[in-house]
Amino acid sequence: DVKVTQSSRYLVKRTGEKVFLECVQDMDHENMFWYRQDPGLGLRLIYFSYDVKMKEKGDIPEGYSVSREKKERFSLILESASTNQTSMYLCASSLTSGRVQYFGPGTRLTVT
Amino acid sequence: DAKTTQPPSMDCAEGRAANLPCNHSTISGNEYVYWYRQIHSQGPQYIIHGLKNNETNEMASLIITEDRKSSTLILPHATLRDTAVYYCIVEGTYKYIFGTGTRLKVLA
Repeated sequence: DVKVTQSSRYLVKRTGEKVFLECVQDMDHENMFWYRQDPGLGLRLIYFSYDVKMKEKGDIPEGYSVSREKKERFSLILESASTNQTSMYLCASSLTSGRVQYFGPGTRLTVT
Repeated sequence: DAKTTQPPSMDCAEGRAANLPCNHSTISGNEYVYWYRQIHSQGPQYIIHGLKNNETNEMASLIITEDRKSSTLILPHATLRDTAVYYCIVEGTYKYIFGTGTRLKVLA
């Protein structure tokens, strides 16, 4: 079974802090994704990566950056957290050939 | 990217088949239809996908109309654990576009 793990299930940070959310997958998938999920808005794509050191902006990249130094790990960085970044963050991975995305359990981030 | 339309909520009696519809009238010829579900506070779980033929796996069946403008996910014998939000997604390149899904409640 594909396993996608995220570093924390719940996280509370203060406004202005730098926040790192980490995602690790164990199935040698080329593609990795970061989404955020908010009530009434569904899941929205922040960034994705199709290879090590490669990244592409999704629909809502503002206020976020990403890092992919190793194939199995994809990090989402909030350089200066703001209250409007309070959300559920979901990581996913997929094979380029397969395209089915497998999701992690999510990190619920609260910025106060 | 194609958009999908799903009813916001549905109820189903335990043990009965749950039929969840999805409209995707602007789907392109090479776009697949994917179904996921999300149980409260968990990440979305893949269920099934298809291009134009009907598909079945251990979780569900997917029926796609001949013109590909709509599809139906069938859970043959719904259980209480199937209570979740179900998302129908049409995939274009790498990007999934999630709608707000159908909240299925399975009733005892």
